Amino acid sequence: AQSVSQHNHHVILSEAASLELGCNYSYGGTVNLFWYVQYPGQHLQLLLKYFSGDPLVKGIKGFEAEFIKSKFSFNLRKPSVQWSDTAEYFCAVIGGGFKTIFGAGTRLFVKA
Amino acid sequence: GAGVSQSPSNKVTEKGKDVELRCDPISGHTALYWYRQSLGQGLEFLIYFQGNSAPDKSGLPSDRFSAERTGGSVSTLTIQRTQQEDSAVYLCASSQSSGRDSPLHFGNGTRLTVT
Repeated sequence: AQSVSQHNHHVILSEAASLELGCNYSYGGTVNLFWYVQYPGQHLQLLLKYFSGDPLVKGIKGFEAEFIKSKFSFNLRKPSVQWSDTAEYFCAVIGGGFKTIFGAGTRLFVKA
Repeated sequence: GAGVSQSPSNKVTEKGKDVELRCDPISGHTALYWYRQSLGQGLEFLIYFQGNSAPDKSGLPSDRFSAERTGGSVSTLTIQRTQQEDSAVYLCASSQSSGRDSPLHFGNGTRLTVT
């Protein structure tokens, strides 16, 4: 069965620090990969996605993620976080079929 | 345009009662999904609709849970004889198609509390 693991459940950073959130998935075939974000009081929204091509994808608000097939990973990065990046981040995968499977989420708190 | 709309936003019910949760997807979106979000558990897939049919009901936790979709639009998730462990946020999402390249658009969810 497909699954998604997010290694960090809670992350606390100071503004301007660099961010990397880990995500690994288990599925041996072709995958579509996503990061979704949920800001406080708001609904989940798409941050970025990977379907094919360049494994380094750029999303909104300066976020990027790199698909490393050999490691089954799709880590999220941002060089310099802001207080407004405080949110919960979810990695998600579509492997076989059409069902999006989500990780448990990582809560990021950025100190001003 | 309007996003995915869910109602009610909050529901408190007594153990043993039935509840109905409603989702109104984005107009024209053929695929509709229900997820359950519990604290620290991430998003748990419940059911998926393509049009009015549900090709994947594998995530429904028990036969107390059912869902339907009518007219290829509005969907209702029904939980019968609610239990305290049913307390969670129930999220609905829609996408333009069932294709693998269609991101999900989420509603704000219904927070269900079973007392």
